[in-house]
Amino acid sequence: RKEVEQDPGPFNVPEGATVAFNCTYSNSASQSFFWYRQDCRKEPKLLMSVYSSGNEDGRFTAQLNRASQYISLLIRDSKLSDSATYLCVVPRGGSQGNLIFGKGTKLSVKP
Amino acid sequence: DVKVTQSSRYLVKRTGEKVFLECVQDMDHENMFWYRQDPGLGLRLIYFSYDVKMKEKGDIPEGYSVSREKKERFSLILESASTNQTSMYLCASSYRTGRASGANVLTFGAGSRLTVL
Repeated sequence: RKEVEQDPGPFNVPEGATVAFNCTYSNSASQSFFWYRQDCRKEPKLLMSVYSSGNEDGRFTAQLNRASQYISLLIRDSKLSDSATYLCVVPRGGSQGNLIFGKGTKLSVKP
Repeated sequence: DVKVTQSSRYLVKRTGEKVFLECVQDMDHENMFWYRQDPGLGLRLIYFSYDVKMKEKGDIPEGYSVSREKKERFSLILESASTNQTSMYLCASSYRTGRASGANVLTFGAGSRLTVL
């Protein structure tokens, strides 16, 4: 299993749809997880942190399944502005701040 | 807001030239990182630093070196640029561990797109 693996997409969804992305990770000792968002030709920015079972922030919900070693990101009521690449991020064991980035899942929300 | 500034947004260099990419952050972050991002390969860590004058190799350090003489500044150096170093280079910074997991909240600069001819 790769360290961090994501479906590259693209996910093409209409406005208002609910969409979910999964990310699998290999290090079973990982304690915290992150979703970063990267707009086209922009730098990545933190979207959400996931420390235990999950986290919710408005239309965004991140969940963690430790048994199966995956995290998910659910976006409800998709907006055009949600179009971006979503990066799954896992800390490298033993090195704070040293992160392993997935290659990203591209989301395109259409009118 | 934390600001990470990369000195050059776009650079064009020739094979064999020495290239300096500068990065400055203004929030007193201890940790600083250099990544490169390529289509299909994602972000790959080149070097990082947890303190002044300290550096650690990342996943792809070959062909690169770094310098951290001051806390706020982290420079990436390509001693002899090659065409396979054409890429988007991203600098990032974060707090040291112990600050409410802030170590894993990276703030990125806008990136430096380097083309080596």
